[in-house]
Amino acid sequence: DAGVIQSPRHEVTEMGQEVTLRCKPISGHNSLFWYRQTMMRGLELLIYFNNNVPIDDSGMPEDRFSAKMPNASFSTLKIQPSEPRDSAVYFCASTRTGRTGELFFGEGSRLTVL
Amino acid sequence: DAKTTQPNSMESNEEEPVHLPCNHSTISGTDYIHWYRQLPSQGPEYVIHGLTSNVNNRMASLAIAEDRKSSTLILHRATLRDAAVYYCILRVHSGSARQLTFGSGTQLTVLP
Repeated sequence: DAGVIQSPRHEVTEMGQEVTLRCKPISGHNSLFWYRQTMMRGLELLIYFNNNVPIDDSGMPEDRFSAKMPNASFSTLKIQPSEPRDSAVYFCASTRTGRTGELFFGEGSRLTVL
Repeated sequence: DAKTTQPNSMESNEEEPVHLPCNHSTISGTDYIHWYRQLPSQGPEYVIHGLTSNVNNRMASLAIAEDRKSSTLILHRATLRDAAVYYCILRVHSGSARQLTFGSGTQLTVLP
């Protein structure tokens, strides 16, 4: 079975550019999570969706960050404009509501903003 | 979510058992104890979880103290591939999915 698929795996961009990270959750999963990982702050939850609806976006750093889930099989995390402090590894994870909580993570998207 | 406390790092020799401790003195009756691990350059992966009784699966065992204020993840025979950061997380199980809140975890080094 295919796991959570994230793209791109690596992105290098310049400050001020728009960045879009993509995630395809596991088929049949109806909850999706976006996490960010840095050396300084560890793994932080940015936002999560249940049935394509954003439930908690309190972890989104600021208005430069936005996330969408237009359907059950696709989500995007957008940063506009990007800044060097946004450099991190961004993980997407999914699970099925009602299960005892095992989250399945993608391999991450490593973002470098110069 | 209730807080967990783990040692920053531990070392083990290859092919020996490893006991990774976790303290969670403020655990509530509805909190499940979850363990995840993160191998280098990979996303976290689920290891095991439990509520009150000890649990075993193909990856590890979870020993939960009788008062539930602490638990221990046991890798029966460490391999080099088990070198990772291990996270102990408390989580309420409910009908709707809730997020996992990760702490700093324990960096396990396995020595050949």
